[in-house]
Amino acid sequence: AQKITQTQPGMFVQEKEAVTLDCTYDTSDQSYGLFWYKQPSSGEMIFLIYQGSYDEQNATEGRYSLNFQKARKSANLVISASQLGDSAMYFCAMREGMDSNYQLIWGAGTKLIIKP
Amino acid sequence: DSGVTQTPKHLITATGQRVTLRCSPRSGDLSVYWYQQSLDQGLQFLIQYYNGEERAKGNILERFSAQQFPDLHSELNLSSLELGDSALYFCASSTRARGSDTQYFGPGTRLTVL
Repeated sequence: AQKITQTQPGMFVQEKEAVTLDCTYDTSDQSYGLFWYKQPSSGEMIFLIYQGSYDEQNATEGRYSLNFQKARKSANLVISASQLGDSAMYFCAMREGMDSNYQLIWGAGTKLIIKP
Repeated sequence: DSGVTQTPKHLITATGQRVTLRCSPRSGDLSVYWYQQSLDQGLQFLIQYYNGEERAKGNILERFSAQQFPDLHSELNLSSLELGDSALYFCASSTRARGSDTQYFGPGTRLTVL
């Protein structure tokens, strides 16, 4: 079974609209972390936001927020007021077993295109 | 700019050859991770070092090896290269080796095996 599922291979969104990128995860661990990264066409991987499984508040970083629904095992990324520069691949990743397992498990990504 | 540097940016080589990819972590970061991003496999964790010692191993082939030096820079050695090794190789670093630590990625090395 896929550990991280991103169901939207691609999305087109009008500039200035809000965007929600879906991510569901599968783990039996109580302690885990969820990350979102952005990969523009230039190739670098840019960290956006982090949510720990024990964090009670949804994480926010500027225009980025994470809609964390633990019971549903979903960690959707919300981008408010989208900009042309938001066009990129977006990856959701999970780290399980915080004390001993350090690798990130990655989703397949969502390609977001912002239309002017 | 994440503060993680990787060299070279691009590498073109032939099958059967050996190459070395280099990574310098952010200042103060003790942990280094290597990832491979290919079109058919997506992003795959290869290996992690923490303060010079191997900490975790992922889907790293036996033809690949890595090390972290006393100055904390790391090298990934790929040998007996095959066409399927063509990929973008990322190095990432984090402050410690805790699960909540954010990994910051370098710009990557694009390897093309002809």
